[in-house]
Amino acid sequence: QQQVKQSPQSLIVQKGGISIINCAYENTAFDYFPWYQQFPGKGPALLIAIRPDVSEKKEGRFTISFNKSAKQFSLHIMDSQPGDSATYFCAASMNSNSGYALNFGKGTSLLVTP
Amino acid sequence: DAGITQSPRYKITETGRQVTLMCHQTWSHSYMFWYRQDLGHGLRLIYYSAAADITDKGEVPDGYVVSRSKTENFPLTLESATRSQTSVYFCASSESWTGRGYGYTFGSGTRLTVV
Repeated sequence: QQQVKQSPQSLIVQKGGISIINCAYENTAFDYFPWYQQFPGKGPALLIAIRPDVSEKKEGRFTISFNKSAKQFSLHIMDSQPGDSATYFCAASMNSNSGYALNFGKGTSLLVTP
Repeated sequence: DAGITQSPRYKITETGRQVTLMCHQTWSHSYMFWYRQDLGHGLRLIYYSAAADITDKGEVPDGYVVSRSKTENFPLTLESATRSQTSVYFCASSESWTGRGYGYTFGSGTRLTVV
């Protein structure tokens, strides 16, 4: 019952290139869509998040594009750097008894080559 | 230091033994969560707690027990460990909307191996 589907599973991008990771969801009640970045041996850390009232959110080199009608959202990393090499997780959530418990995608392992 | 602390960092236990993973946060966040991370599955919610003495099941609760007698602590107990519970366990706490997102902070994880 994977509620959020993420692709690709792995991605290799050259330094300076654009990294794109896609996610799709089914539950139209979701109203919070964060992206998390995880380095080996560390816990996930919030990278950027969006709510469905906007179609795009940008923070530095990181942009979320959100398509409510298609139930899809994506992370774009512009000018990718070797330091961006990490695992990225998309997630979706809604307000419920669990607060905003996150439903995660399976993750994308990004490698940025020099 | 303020933050969320998990202990132990690494644990090896035998099948059938009871083991408790500890989680402590210093912010007084209302919500706390336990996730497990497995290759090919991402992170899956085990249990969550909305406040002291209020806990509920997540997606994969079988074989786990939680308690929350104090706001700052949220221990996870494996009653009788099985090899399928070999995983990395993450505790998280959450506050209200911060402007960037819900202040969802993860601990550094406990790598548990059941042999």
